[in-house]
Amino acid sequence: GQNIDQPTEMTATEGAIVQINCTYQTSGFNGLFWYQQHAGEAPTFLSYNVLDGLEEKGRFSSFLSRSKGYSYLLLKELQMKDSASYLCAAMDSNYQLIWGAGTKLIIKP
Amino acid sequence: GAVVSQHPSWVICKSGTSVKIECRSLDFQATTMFWYRQFPKQSLMLMATSNEGSKATYEQGVEKDKFLINHASLTLSTLTVTSAHPEDSSFYICSATPGQGYNEQFFGPGTRLTVL
Repeated sequence: GQNIDQPTEMTATEGAIVQINCTYQTSGFNGLFWYQQHAGEAPTFLSYNVLDGLEEKGRFSSFLSRSKGYSYLLLKELQMKDSASYLCAAMDSNYQLIWGAGTKLIIKP
Repeated sequence: GAVVSQHPSWVICKSGTSVKIECRSLDFQATTMFWYRQFPKQSLMLMATSNEGSKATYEQGVEKDKFLINHASLTLSTLTVTSAHPEDSSFYICSATPGQGYNEQFFGPGTRLTVL
């Protein structure tokens, strides 16, 4: 079956760095997405990885290892506004997104 | 950037009534639109995928006669919740892609439905 695993909740301190891990099992693979979702709002796109390696975009970076079925989202210089849920989603061979349950990130001052 | 709108943002209705939610792609043509439902503290659950001009493909467990989806044009898809009940209360989110195959999904702002 298809499955996405990510931690339910993480806590970090303002100004610090946090890494949110995601493992996936899908029928075929066409890339890995990370979305940010604030409470009561729709998800917003953060990153897309289809090749192995690290993609850096400002304070956010995303890593993919296809052989390990593993990705992580790295957030640097954490700000209070980064408190949100972070959704990992893998695209299968039918180009359908398989969603993880999301990781709630709590930022403390 | 690609913008997707949803209307209404929130709706309260009585049990047994039907509610229509509109999803529009404002600055691109959406070949494919997706409808999701999200319960509190849970992830997105894909309900159905619709391609313009064809019938929607529903996920297992989603009643197609209860959740009517129409994708009549390349910029508009509608979800009608028929004979709504309190258990249908949820956050409904649509997303759209400009083409088939890989394409980033652009999400609408969501519609919060409360059925009394």
